[in-house]
Amino acid sequence: QKEVEQDPGPLSVPEGAIVSLNCTYSNSAFQYFMWYRQYSRKGPELLMYTYSSGNKEDGRFTAQVDKSSKYISLFIRDSQPSDSATYLCAMSVYNTDKLIFGTGTRLQVFP
Amino acid sequence: DGGITQSPKYLFRKEGQNVTLSCEQNLNHDAMYWYRQDPGQGLRLIYYSQIVNDFQKGDIAEGYSVSREKKESFPLTVTSAQKNPTAFYLCASSPPQSSYEQYFGPGTRLTVT
Repeated sequence: QKEVEQDPGPLSVPEGAIVSLNCTYSNSAFQYFMWYRQYSRKGPELLMYTYSSGNKEDGRFTAQVDKSSKYISLFIRDSQPSDSATYLCAMSVYNTDKLIFGTGTRLQVFP
Repeated sequence: DGGITQSPKYLFRKEGQNVTLSCEQNLNHDAMYWYRQDPGQGLRLIYYSQIVNDFQKGDIAEGYSVSREKKESFPLTVTSAQKNPTAFYLCASSPPQSSYEQYFGPGTRLTVT
């Protein structure tokens, strides 16, 4: 079993839809939870990071962490075609410099 | 304009040759990282460095080597000992005390034939 599980998609939605992207994890030692956006053939771009359980909002993006269920989500409101990319979750291991990445979910937003 | 640069964007080599990938940052970050990305797999850590003249192996260090002679630079050498070197290589850096906050360069796609 992988430490971080992420559905690869693709997830295809119409413009304006609310998108929910999810990751589950098994390691209780994960401390920080990150979401990255990666366009094709580009480096990942850090969107948000959270530490505690609960929600964190930044514009159209909301990151949610549920440590009791070992489940994190990224919600995108009013999705745009420019949001079409692969979204990677990542988690930091307590007391190390390591990040563990999910395999990424490919999102397609069509006009 | 602060950021991380990687060069070249595409690199082609013959099997048996060593090749060095460049990574430079002007963010004044202490820590730097090298990852490898393959289709269907998450990013995997090759090497990382927290300070100049010091670096640690990641999860898949075999067949790779690095140096950290300057804070701004962290080159990666893919040696002929690496069994499957064709991949997308990503360099990242993070601010002090914030290793979870990693910022990535644009990547180098290496093809070995």
